[in-house]
Amino acid sequence: QKEVEQNSGPLSVPEGAIASLNCTYSDRGSQSFFWYRQYSGKSPELIMFIYSNGDKEDGRFTAQLNKASQYVSLLIRDSQPSDSATYLCAVKGVGNQFYFGTGTSLTVIP
Amino acid sequence: DTGVSQDPRHKITKRGQNVTFRCDPISEHNRLYWYRQTLGQGPEFLTYFQNEAQLEKSRLLSDRFSAERPKGSFSTLEIQRTEQGDSAMYLCATRGGNSYEQYFGPGTRLTVT
Repeated sequence: QKEVEQNSGPLSVPEGAIASLNCTYSDRGSQSFFWYRQYSGKSPELIMFIYSNGDKEDGRFTAQLNKASQYVSLLIRDSQPSDSATYLCAVKGVGNQFYFGTGTSLTVIP
Repeated sequence: DTGVSQDPRHKITKRGQNVTFRCDPISEHNRLYWYRQTLGQGPEFLTYFQNEAQLEKSRLLSDRFSAERPKGSFSTLEIQRTEQGDSAMYLCATRGGNSYEQYFGPGTRLTVT
């Protein structure tokens, strides 16, 4: 079983819609959760992090964490074509390692 | 630009040659990670430094790979006797001591022919 699982997609949404990206993790002791955006050929860019159960909002992005269900999600409101990218979920383990999912490819259709 | 730099950005080498990559972290970041990423996959952990000490290393890491961080500043990753399977993007990420947020450099894309 992989440490972090994501639906690889592709996920397509029309411009202006809400994109919903999901991630599950296996280590119940994990405490820190991150979403990275990665454009093709570029390195990952940190866009959100969440440490506590519940929702965390930053502009058009909302991260949601449910530790009981071992589930993290990212909502992107008012999706724009520039949001088209691969979104990586990352989880920090009990030690110093970070585990990444394989990413979900998002396409926002104008 | 996150402030993490990597050099070179691209490297093409022939199988069997040695290659070395460099990462310069954000100046106040004392924790440094190396990752490898192949197409369609997420970054895979290779090794972790806290200051100059290499504290963790992936069990999957071949003994052809070695990393250093002298004086706790820049880091180098060397791959000896490269193989075609080493072709990947090599990413460096750093974070500060009191923070869990890590920031990636632009990566070094390695192609082994």
